[in-house]
Amino acid sequence: EAQVTQNPRYLITVTGKKLTVTCSQNMNHEYMSWYRQDPGLGLRQIYYSMNVEVTDKGDVPEGYKVSRKEKRNFPLILESPSPNQTSLYFCASGLGNQPQHFGDGTRLSIL
Amino acid sequence: AQRVTQPEKLLSVFKGAPVELKCNYSYSGSPELFWYVQYSRQRLQLLLRHISRESIKGFTADLNKGETSFHLKKPFAQEEDSAMYYCALHSHPGTASKLTFGTGTRLQVTL
Repeated sequence: EAQVTQNPRYLITVTGKKLTVTCSQNMNHEYMSWYRQDPGLGLRQIYYSMNVEVTDKGDVPEGYKVSRKEKRNFPLILESPSPNQTSLYFCASGLGNQPQHFGDGTRLSIL
Repeated sequence: AQRVTQPEKLLSVFKGAPVELKCNYSYSGSPELFWYVQYSRQRLQLLLRHISRESIKGFTADLNKGETSFHLKKPFAQEEDSAMYYCALHSHPGTASKLTFGTGTRLQVTL
């Protein structure tokens, strides 16, 4: 089954404790991206990747890092999380240069 | 900077009534526009894109460059159309590729 898998689905952590949200897709898609969803703001793009070792900033990249060492994986890294990064995060992949398949989301709470 | 505006947070219609979900955009270049949908307890998914000029689940959307709009329409609403709908703009500043979402409109179809 074609899918995008995010882990963890839920995480409560504390300010400053590094965390990684993993994202994996099994469709051999070149395009992958990360979004955060906040009430009243909709989805905002954090980072995207057009291919292995090719990443670029979206609209809200501050405080986040990504890597794309393999085509199937696109982890989101918060080196020093802060409370304003409490949000619902979505990973997506697709053919071409736009997302077609999304993960189930990861709800992060930074205390 | 590009922007996508969905003026209605909630649109409530009766079953069988026509539906129009509004989307306006601002972008100085040549845009690509998309509609995404999220049904209850399901993942966000791509509904349609303007370049395909397709009809998906009875929905159509026409890009109107003069009015900078990409409204989503369906002549007769069905209960299963109840969902959250997001309009998105794909821009290409230089060699980058960004996707900007609107804040979404919840469509509620009632009997």
